[in-house]
Amino acid sequence: DTAVSQTPKYLVTQMGNDKSIKCEQNLGHDTMYWYKQDSKKFLKIMFSYNNKELIINETVPNRFSPKSPDKAHLNLHINSLELGDSAVYFCASSHLARSSGVSSYNEQFFGPGTRLTVL
Amino acid sequence: TQLLEQSPQFLSIQEGENLTVYCNSSSVFSSLQWYRQEPGEGPVLLVTVVTGGEVKKLKRLTFQFGDARKDSSLHITAAQPGDTGLYLCAGFSSGSARQLTFGSGTQLTVLP
Repeated sequence: DTAVSQTPKYLVTQMGNDKSIKCEQNLGHDTMYWYKQDSKKFLKIMFSYNNKELIINETVPNRFSPKSPDKAHLNLHINSLELGDSAVYFCASSHLARSSGVSSYNEQFFGPGTRLTVL
Repeated sequence: TQLLEQSPQFLSIQEGENLTVYCNSSSVFSSLQWYRQEPGEGPVLLVTVVTGGEVKKLKRLTFQFGDARKDSSLHITAAQPGDTGLYLCAGFSSGSARQLTFGSGTQLTVLP
């Protein structure tokens, strides 16, 4: 049983096009995320939704628009694709937070990634 | 901006050798995690350390959180080819469990 799934796995498109990546989780988590991993394998948070509410919105071009129709889904729509958008995009999910003494953290489960190539 | 620097960036060793990967920052983190990522897959959580000075063991892997909560290390004993992968440290900043900052990554290759 797939915990966090993304479609498509690979996406090759021309510059200027609009595309969407879909993500679904069946773990019962209330928080979902989009990350971007560049060619140097650096992983950076883009967005996070908790119970369909946007809670993290990093400095990302407004061509990127996340949409969460329900707690189990978080989609990423990208307008006017640029060459620099080429990367691997990961969806992840977790419970919002858990505490251990003074520390708070969560355990994030990642999808298999979508490799986006803009030509 | 909180940064996590990992060293070394690349590591290639023979099966059976020991190795240590370091994760350093000038910032204090509430907790720190280590992930392993294999080609074509997403990162998989290995461990979470939450207390300064904490040591956790996972079979041949030993994780340590620095006393000042600014650094961490991952030690692998008797490395095996199955340990090959990209190791990522990631930290939660104090006061926020919502945002995870990832390190620069260490690509480990264990040769048979």
